[in-house]
Amino acid sequence: KNEVEQSPQNLTAQEGEFITINCSYSVGISALHWLQQHPGGGIVSLFMLSSGKKKHGRLIATINIQEKHSSLHITASHPRDSAVYICAGRGGSNYKLTFGKGTLLTVNP
Amino acid sequence: DAEITQSPRHKITETGRQVTLACHQTWNHNNMFWYRQDLGHGLRLIHYSYGVQDTNKGEVSDGYSVSRSNTEDLPLTLESAASSQTSVYFCASSDSQVGAEAFFGQGTRLTVV
Repeated sequence: KNEVEQSPQNLTAQEGEFITINCSYSVGISALHWLQQHPGGGIVSLFMLSSGKKKHGRLIATINIQEKHSSLHITASHPRDSAVYICAGRGGSNYKLTFGKGTLLTVNP
Repeated sequence: DAEITQSPRHKITETGRQVTLACHQTWNHNNMFWYRQDLGHGLRLIHYSYGVQDTNKGEVSDGYSVSRSNTEDLPLTLESAASSQTSVYFCASSDSQVGAEAFFGQGTRLTVV
């Protein structure tokens, strides 16, 4: 069993919909990263959070340390949001990342 | 602007050849990592370094080696390339603060034929 689990694996939405991607982890972490990867592209860091909530434009990330759960929300989704979204937990005393397998998001016009 | 760059972006090599993938960062980060990304597995750690002359094995290190002679570079060497090493390789770096962000290179697509 992977230490970091994401759901759903695939998600299709219509433009304008509110989207939620979930991430659960079974190990202790010092921080959780949300990453974005466009098809054939590099990996971009969206958020790094260790508590509470962060917002950047239409993207919102939350984390509940007690429940070992994080969510990434996209409001007013757009076709350009189509990408793979990856969550990754950072170890407590080291800097290594443990990755979920990613969620492929497709937003149709 | 500081950045992290990988080269080459694409490489085709033959089974048994030695291949080196370059990773160069100008963030002055102590921590550098190599990952491979495969369908169904996500990103997996190959090797990592916390500073000059420091290298450590990750979960899929067999057949790979790294060296860290300066802060900026962590080249990844495939000693004798195998078809199972066909993958997309990502280099990443981060500062040593617990809350520091990770920065990723653009990736190298390696095909072993």
